[in-house]
Amino acid sequence: QQQVKQSPQSLIVQKGGISIINCAYENTAFDYFPWYQQFPGKGPALLIAIRPDVSEKKEGRFTISFNKSAKQFSLHIMDSQPGDSATYFCAASRVRTGTASKLTFGTGTRLQVTL
Amino acid sequence: KAGVTQTPRYLIKTRGQQVTLSCSPISGHRSVSWYQQTPGQGLQFLFEYFSETQRNKGNFPGRFSGRQFSNSRSEMNVSTLELGDSALYLCASSPGPTGAENIQYFGAGTRLSVL
Repeated sequence: QQQVKQSPQSLIVQKGGISIINCAYENTAFDYFPWYQQFPGKGPALLIAIRPDVSEKKEGRFTISFNKSAKQFSLHIMDSQPGDSATYFCAASRVRTGTASKLTFGTGTRLQVTL
Repeated sequence: KAGVTQTPRYLIKTRGQQVTLSCSPISGHRSVSWYQQTPGQGLQFLFEYFSETQRNKGNFPGRFSGRQFSNSRSEMNVSTLELGDSALYLCASSPGPTGAENIQYFGAGTRLSVL
């Protein structure tokens, strides 16, 4: 049972454009939603994360929008750069129950930023 | 500060053999989690260790096991290897279950190929 659905599977954006990746979750017990970035040959690296008590979090060019009632969250990359070309994973876990480390990942989005 | 170190980086085994992978967490981190990454199933949680005890476990057969040593280093073992065990095995370290998000820092992984 896939508990976190991610779309699109792949995305091509021009340099300077906005990249948008969407995720939807099923388990209402999830209370921690991180996004990870993975380059080829590397492990995933935490990009930005949000808790459900806020609807938006921004860090530089990266913004998470969170809709608790719809059980959806999305990653927006503003002014996308070729260096942002990577695979992005959304994830979810449960902090309250002490299982924050047990991340449930989406299937990933391969982003390519063209010149 | 050195990152998460996983050894070996690449491994080739044949069906029926067993394999042991090693992970050295970031200095000061006491929690280690293991994930399996495959093109078909994506990133899946295997288990988490803290203070030499398994705290959480994913939905994998008993052929997959792990342990943690007193210095927080961890090993995972897969016995009776199957072709489907071919994957990138990722280790993630975190400070520990403090009640916060317990941010996971991933290593580059061990790529296991089962022939």
